[in-house]
Amino acid sequence: SQKIEQNSEALNIQEGKTATLTCNYTNYSPAYLQWYRQDPGRGPVFLLLIRENEKEKRKERLKVTFDTTLKQSLFHITASQPADSATYLCALKGGSGNTGKLIFGQGTTLQVKP
Amino acid sequence: ETGVTQSPTHLIKTRGQQVTLRCSSQSGHNTVSWYQQALGQGPQFIFQYYREEENGRGNFPPRFSGLQFPNYSSELNVNALELDDSALYLCASSWEGLLNTGELFFGEGSRLTVL
Repeated sequence: SQKIEQNSEALNIQEGKTATLTCNYTNYSPAYLQWYRQDPGRGPVFLLLIRENEKEKRKERLKVTFDTTLKQSLFHITASQPADSATYLCALKGGSGNTGKLIFGQGTTLQVKP
Repeated sequence: ETGVTQSPTHLIKTRGQQVTLRCSSQSGHNTVSWYQQALGQGPQFIFQYYREEENGRGNFPPRFSGLQFPNYSSELNVNALELDDSALYLCASSWEGLLNTGELFFGEGSRLTVL
C-alpha cells in the first residue's frame, strides 16, 4: 500500500542554522509533492509545490528537493528563526484529477531555539 | 490567512449522535475537500466535492457524508458518532481545471470531541 513517512521525532535546532526535514514514500508515483506548515490548533498552510520533473525549488529561505529515484523529498529552511517553529507536513498527489485528494505524512515538528 | 471559513470551531457530542460541520470556500474556487486529522497525525482525506457531486472518497464509512452547494460552500455530516471520530476536521478549497496550481487552501478546522 502507499505509504509516506516523515521524521517522527521532533527536530530541535539553534537559531540561524539550517533545518532539514525528510519525506520518504513507497508504492507511489506522485505527479507532484507539496509541503505545508501547521501551527498548533490551526489549519495547514501551503508552502511549496514541486513537480515530478523538477529537481529543486526555492522560495525565500525555503528549498525543496525531489528525487523520484530515491522516492524522497528534502525540505530545507536556511537561517532558521524561532518563528519557523511549527509542524511541517509533506503531501503527495498521484495521477490526474481530484486536486483535493492528497496523502499526507504524519508531520515533523520543528523547534528553533533562540 | 485563507478565505476558507469553518464552523463551529469547537463542539462536543456524545456517542451515537449526529454532527454537521460547515465550510465556506475561498472565492473563485470550485472544489472542496474534507480531511480528518487525529492528534499527532497528518490529515486523512475523507472526500472531495466538485460541482456539487462527490468525485473522490477516502477510506471512510458511509456514515460520513457531505454536500456541496451552488455557491461552493459545503457540509460534512457524520452519523452515529463513535469515540474515534474525535479529531480536527479540516475543509480545503481549490480550483480544479485549467491552470490548476494543485495548492489547497485550508480553513482553521472544527475540533470535534465525542464523549
